[in-house]
Formats: sequence, C-alpha cells, structure tokens
Amino acid sequence: DIVMTQSPDSLAVSLGERATINCKSRQSVLYSSNNKNYLAWYQQKSGQPPKLLIYWASTRESGVPDRFSGSGSGTDFTLTISSLQAEDVAVYYCQQYYSTPPAFGPGTKVEIK
Amino acid sequence: QVQLVQSGAEVKKPGASVMVSCKASGYTFTSCYLHWVRQAPGQGLEWMGIINPSGGSTTYAQRLQGRVTMTRDTSTSTVYMELSSLRSEDTAVYYCARQNALYDAFDIWGQGTMVTVSS
Repeated sequence: DIVMTQSPDSLAVSLGERATINCKSRQSVLYSSNNKNYLAWYQQKSGQPPKLLIYWASTRESGVPDRFSGSGSGTDFTLTISSLQAEDVAVYYCQQYYSTPPAFGPGTKVEIK
Repeated sequence: QVQLVQSGAEVKKPGASVMVSCKASGYTFTSCYLHWVRQAPGQGLEWMGIINPSGGSTTYAQRLQGRVTMTRDTSTSTVYMELSSLRSEDTAVYYCARQNALYDAFDIWGQGTMVTVSS
C-alpha cells in the first residue's frame, strides 16, 4: 500500500498571504505510460464532504479559483494557495489514486492568523 | 445536476449491522466507479472500498474484509454499503464518492451519513 504524509499538520496564514502544503508518497505515483501523476488535492470545510480541487497533481477542477495551484511529480507534491481568503479556512488532504487502495494523507488544517 | 444523495443518520448497538444507500443522478450510473470513504469524529479520511456499478465487482479495504459488503441496484441507480458486527470504532460519517471516468479522482461526493454505534 502507498502511504501518504503531509506537512505541516496545521498552519496559520494572514489574509492575502501565501499558504503552502506539502505531500509525500512512499512510492512514485507517476504513471509512465501517460506521464500523469495520480495525485489529487481535496478541501474539506467543517461539516461538509471533501471537495476536489486538483487532479493529476496540477490540473484545477472546473470552478476552482486560480489562487489554488498544485505542483510536483513522482513522490513530492505541493498545494499552494497564492492569496489566502477567509473562505479557504479548511482541512486539505492529498490523495494518491495510482493504486488500490487509494490513500489519503492525514490532512493539513489551514487557519487565518 | 450530477449528485449523490445518501440515506439518513443511523444509531446502532454494538454487534448490529447498518446499511447506507447512495443514489446517483445526473449521469449514466454505470459509467463511473463508486467508492465509500469514512471519517471518524475529528479524524481523517479512510477508504473503505469500491464498486463497479456496471458489473457489480467490488474491492474492499483489507482491514474491513469480512465485515463490509457493497452492492448496487441499476434499476434505481443506487449503491449500498453494509457494515456488520459494528463496534464503537465504526462511529463515523460515511461518504460515497464518484470516481471520474476521465481522470480518476473523486469528483462528486455524497453529503455524508452519520453512523453512531453506542450501547
């Protein structure tokens, strides 16, 4: 099974500032046949189901604001919120869907400083 | 619009079973795999298993093998997750989630069903 880790566990960022979340997979999630990283990012606000933000490590889901961006390849990935807004307060999870079982990271809580 | 609507909250005693339903609408039911993911209070997301609505094949998380069963009814576009021999650690919100057919990430989620196991 592929194990996912995230850092930090939580972070507090001022409104308008950048937030950066890191995610590591124990094995590569890069599928060589199509050169796609099977890595997604989800946002979960309190009392709500997760919402898909990013898939293939860097492709924004339709309707997701462009302040959210994903980068990385292989085993190391980053989610960046370029200018934090109040509505971005949430827990963010990375997920590998390269192999079964698909696995989520433990989550990173983002708050306003 | 595309949506997954789940059944309501349940309260069960230890040792009992629970069945949660997830009704799909707005897309071709048999075109996308469906997953079940649970979240214990204050905890992260735990994958439980996957069902192919087309043929009904399933794969379950190893730690739940023998206790979880996923089925589907194509006539009503509904998938079901049954968990047996419930214990207090099964108290969680249970979500169904659609795997997008193009890019495989979980693009649509149900609203969640709270299952409480308590004597």
